Amino acid sequence: AQSVAQPEDQVNVAEGNPLTVKCTYSVSGNPYLFWYVQYPNRGLQFLLKYITGDNLVKGSYGFEAEFNKSQTSFHLKKPSALVSDSALYFCAVRDIDSGAGSYQLTFGKGTKLSVIP
Amino acid sequence: GAVVSQHPSWVICKSGTSVKIECRSLDFQATTMFWYRQFPKQSLMLMATSNEGSKATYEQGVEKDKFLINHASLTLSTLTVTSAHPEDSSFYICSANGAKGYNEQFFGPGTRLTVL
Repeated sequence: AQSVAQPEDQVNVAEGNPLTVKCTYSVSGNPYLFWYVQYPNRGLQFLLKYITGDNLVKGSYGFEAEFNKSQTSFHLKKPSALVSDSALYFCAVRDIDSGAGSYQLTFGKGTKLSVIP
Repeated sequence: GAVVSQHPSWVICKSGTSVKIECRSLDFQATTMFWYRQFPKQSLMLMATSNEGSKATYEQGVEKDKFLINHASLTLSTLTVTSAHPEDSSFYICSANGAKGYNEQFFGPGTRLTVL
């Protein structure tokens, strides 16, 4: 079974400061990892993913995430937060060894990011 | 590319009626589609996985007869909430996987269902 933990329900950060949204995962095989952002009453927007290769992944809107296999983490980061980054962020994992036909994602509970002007 | 649409974006219905939600992949063929339910301030809960031309696979605890899923073509999946009740009120989101080579799911904008 696969699982994702986002230990913080809410993260507050001042505009212009760096932000980090934490995510740890558990899979029996090798992971595909994803970050999505959700604005109120909207679907999920893809930010970035780790499949293989460089542990530091750069995504949309200046976000990046670092895959750390030893710590089973995939924290989302941004060097300078914007008020418009305020939203709900979801980390998700897929076990790539679960079978070629299975694309099922397991989501964390989400972290609400508030960027304070 | 890889756009998924949902229709309607919001719907209000009376208790006891049925509601159909459509999920379409606009510029790719979706071999697999997923339906999620999201309660306020909570994560996405996978309801079912559907593959084109076959029966949907429902997650444990999801009533198959209440939430009817049809994936009749490679670009369209529908979720029908039958005999809806107020407790079915929720935000329903679909996603789709494309052909070989896609590693991610593409999400629709969601449908807000309110049952009176």
